[in-house]
Amino acid sequence: SQQGEEDPQALSIQEGENATMNCSYKTSINNLQWYRQNSGRGLVHLILIRSNEREKHSGRLRVTLDTSKKSSSLLITASRAADTASYFCAASDTGRRALTFGSGTRLQVQP
Amino acid sequence: NAGVTQTPKFQVLKTGQSMTLQCAQDMNHNSMYWYRQDPGMGLRLIYYSASEGTTDKGEVPNGYNVSRLNKREFSLRLESAAPSQTSVYFCASGPGKAGGNEQYFGPGTRLTVT
Repeated sequence: SQQGEEDPQALSIQEGENATMNCSYKTSINNLQWYRQNSGRGLVHLILIRSNEREKHSGRLRVTLDTSKKSSSLLITASRAADTASYFCAASDTGRRALTFGSGTRLQVQP
Repeated sequence: NAGVTQTPKFQVLKTGQSMTLQCAQDMNHNSMYWYRQDPGMGLRLIYYSASEGTTDKGEVPNGYNVSRLNKREFSLRLESAAPSQTSVYFCASGPGKAGGNEQYFGPGTRLTVT
């Protein structure tokens, strides 16, 4: 079963707009990570937020974590056509030694 | 620095055939992983290795075996391929404790079993 579930499944926006993706998970976590996957390629790590952090920034990326609601969000500001990709959250469970990935959000940024 | 490399990139097998997917990393990482990705889905963990000489089952290990040959290499073997194993297979590696840190992925192997 998937630990992380992303919402929405697909998102289409115009260049310059902001994109927000949400992730929910089920158990206690050490950290939550976000990855990007361009079509036909492997996943690329974007950002990691630890369970004792509430917000983290990296360039145009902003990630929030609410452990009481078991949810996280990824905000991409001022999106570009090159941001077109699938985005996955991955939860690092406290009880396991592996990540559990969600099913992803497909982001399409129209030029 | 090539990162994580996988061979082959594409493979077509007939039902019942066997094959080994190869993975190597040059980042001196302790942990290595094998995932499969089916259309429209996230990655599911097949097996992982927290360190050289150790392997553990993931979420979907049935029909697969693995070998952590040394710190650099982690191979995945399909002993008797089935159509349900048609998928894209990704190898990944990561520093430190298994599952606790970011992972670095290879480009994937697209496997079709007919």
